[in-house]
Amino acid sequence: EPEVTQTPSHQVTQMGQEVILRCVPISNHLYFYWYRQILGQKVEFLVSFYNNEISEKSEIFDDQFSVERPDGSNFTLKIRSTKLEDSAMYFCASSEALQGQYGYTFGSGTRLTVV
Amino acid sequence: KNEVEQSPQNLTAQEGEFITINCSYSVGISALHWLQQHPGGGIVSLFMLSSGKKKHGRLIATINIQEKHSSLHITASHPRDSAVYICAVVRNTDKLIFGTGTRLQVFP
Repeated sequence: EPEVTQTPSHQVTQMGQEVILRCVPISNHLYFYWYRQILGQKVEFLVSFYNNEISEKSEIFDDQFSVERPDGSNFTLKIRSTKLEDSAMYFCASSEALQGQYGYTFGSGTRLTVV
Repeated sequence: KNEVEQSPQNLTAQEGEFITINCSYSVGISALHWLQQHPGGGIVSLFMLSSGKKKHGRLIATINIQEKHSSLHITASHPRDSAVYICAVVRNTDKLIFGTGTRLQVFP
């Protein structure tokens, strides 16, 4: 069964450092998303991406965050200068159709720890 | 106030029991999704509903659009069903709005 692949599975970084979280969505999917889950809290939307541009972003997704699909297969989330409160599990997801009409496929997540 | 509320927050059951998890939402939606989050953190999509009822194996999901309510049922529960079950809705945009989840533990 096709999978969304996320790397690394766990990253520890110093406060103020830049991190890049990587995702390989399912190849025929057109819609891509990043979500995050702070420990013990619910999953929150960060950003959606379609046709090589951001289609929607949340208040969390400020100037410190950016996304890119540099080569048609990878989908990356960059945090420019990490803060302690960025520590969370970050999930990439993709879908074949708008609004997940045929469902969403999630990656297994990257646990980011900012120290 | 959360747009998506789930109950109960925690649920324990004996193997074989019939399980019901409830989800209520306060906004207009285009679809509702049930998801399963494993202890390791991975999220799996179970159902997408816009009306009526769907069944997959021992899992049944129903939605009542007028009452803004959905239920997820598990028949003949098994310890491997132990996970967090999450209700999430899609409004007129493309993002999922998540509930806080229901932690289910099924004991042998």
